[in-house]
Amino acid sequence: AQKVTQAQTEISVVEKEDVTLDCVYETRDTTYYLFWYKQPPSGELVFLIRRNSFDEQNEISGRYSWNFQKSTSSFNFTITASQVVDSAVYFCALSVPGYNFNKFYFGSGTKLNVKP
Amino acid sequence: GAGVSQSPSNKVTEKGKDVELRCDPISGHTALYWYRQSLGQGLEFLIYFQGNSAPDKSGLPSDRFSAERTGGSVSTLTIQRTQQEDSAVYLCASSLGGSLYTGELFFGEGSRLTVL
Repeated sequence: AQKVTQAQTEISVVEKEDVTLDCVYETRDTTYYLFWYKQPPSGELVFLIRRNSFDEQNEISGRYSWNFQKSTSSFNFTITASQVVDSAVYFCALSVPGYNFNKFYFGSGTKLNVKP
Repeated sequence: GAGVSQSPSNKVTEKGKDVELRCDPISGHTALYWYRQSLGQGLEFLIYFQGNSAPDKSGLPSDRFSAERTGGSVSTLTIQRTQQEDSAVYLCASSLGGSLYTGELFFGEGSRLTVL
């Protein structure tokens, strides 16, 4: 069975602090994809990153970085020097390609509050 | 269009009425998904379309829910005899390709349904 767990329901930080959002996934498939999405207060989910199971290189994009570790089935997301605009709900998702259906499994989300 | 378009953005209805929610995916996207997000909750999968067919309808909560997609483009989610527990934001997403392709999902802004 496929599953994504985001144990942190809500995190509050002060601007300029670093913050890490945890994501743990479960799957028995060897080929899969992991995603992070941001849902700001306006409501529209915005794609942040996609990573396939064969690429464990960490990725950095500006203040955002992602740490993919297959050994612990984790795909954590770090925001460096957080800003108020980072306040949003962040979702981690898992997708396993299938012959007739690509189903996306979303975690329950982590609400990040960045205070000025 | 440039993005996934959903209408109406807000719908208030009385219990027992039928509602239709519309999704216009990104041009050329063959895969289309409907999700439901209750207040403060994660994303609940409803149904997936590949072209005009729906390989997986397992997420539809009851037989009051139905969806169709015509011309491989616009999709309509219909809820008959609405109940208060149907109140939620209904999100539509589309992606390129279908089986064996797992690109990111592009989400619309959602349709907020309130059943009084």
